[in-house]
Amino acid sequence: GQNIDQPTEMTATEGAIVQINCTYQTSGFNGLFWYQQHAGEAPTFLSYNVLDGLEEKGRFSSFLSRSKGYSYLLLKELQMKDSASYLCAVADSNYQLIWGAGTKLIIKP
Amino acid sequence: NAGVTQTPKFRVLKTGQSMTLLCAQDMNHEYMYWYRQDPGMGLRLIHYSVGEGTTAKGEVPDGYNVSRLKKQNFLLGLESAAPSQTSVYFCASSSQLAGEGPGELFFGEGSRLTVL
Repeated sequence: GQNIDQPTEMTATEGAIVQINCTYQTSGFNGLFWYQQHAGEAPTFLSYNVLDGLEEKGRFSSFLSRSKGYSYLLLKELQMKDSASYLCAVADSNYQLIWGAGTKLIIKP
Repeated sequence: NAGVTQTPKFRVLKTGQSMTLLCAQDMNHEYMYWYRQDPGMGLRLIHYSVGEGTTAKGEVPDGYNVSRLKKQNFLLGLESAAPSQTSVYFCASSSQLAGEGPGELFFGEGSRLTVL
C-alpha cells in the first residue's frame, strides 16, 4: 500500500529552528509537496520538490532524498504565527496526491 | 481576492437527509477537487473534475455525487447522509492536475458537516 509518515506533534521555541520529517512509500514518485494549515483554516502551499536536494524559500526550506523516500521541512527563526499543522503530500506514478496526516507544530515563547 | 469559496461553512444533518455543498472559484481553473479531512488521517480525495462537464471518482467516492455544470462551480451532494460522513470538507482548484509539476492547490475555507 501507499503510506506517508509524519510525526503527529512537535514542540519548538520561538526563534529556534525545527525540522519536520516525512517518509513515504508510494507506487512511483512524481513530486513532494508541503502545505501549511492553521487550525480551522484551509491548507496553503509551501513548497514542491521533485529532484534531490534543498529548496530554500525565505525562512522555510524543503529537502528531498528520493532514494531514501524522505523529505523534511526546515523552519528557521520560528515565530508564533508558525504554529500550525504541516502536511506532506506525494504525487504517485499516476500523479495522484497521497497525503500524510500532518504534523501539528506548537511554538512556545 | 475571493479565490475559492465554499458554502455552507457549517451544517448539521440527520441520518438520511440530503444536502449539497457548493464550491466556487474565480481563478478560471480547469481542475477542481473535493476532499474530506478527518482527525488523524490525511486529506482524502472524494471526486474531482478536469473541466466543465467532466467528473471522476477519487479515493473515497461512495455516498457522494458531484456535478460541474459551469467551469467556476463544483457541487458535492450527499443523497442520504450517514454518521460516517461527519467530516470537514475542502474544495480545491488548480491550473494543472494536482500532482503534475509544481502547480499548487488553492483550497476553500472548509465546510464542517455533522451527521447525527
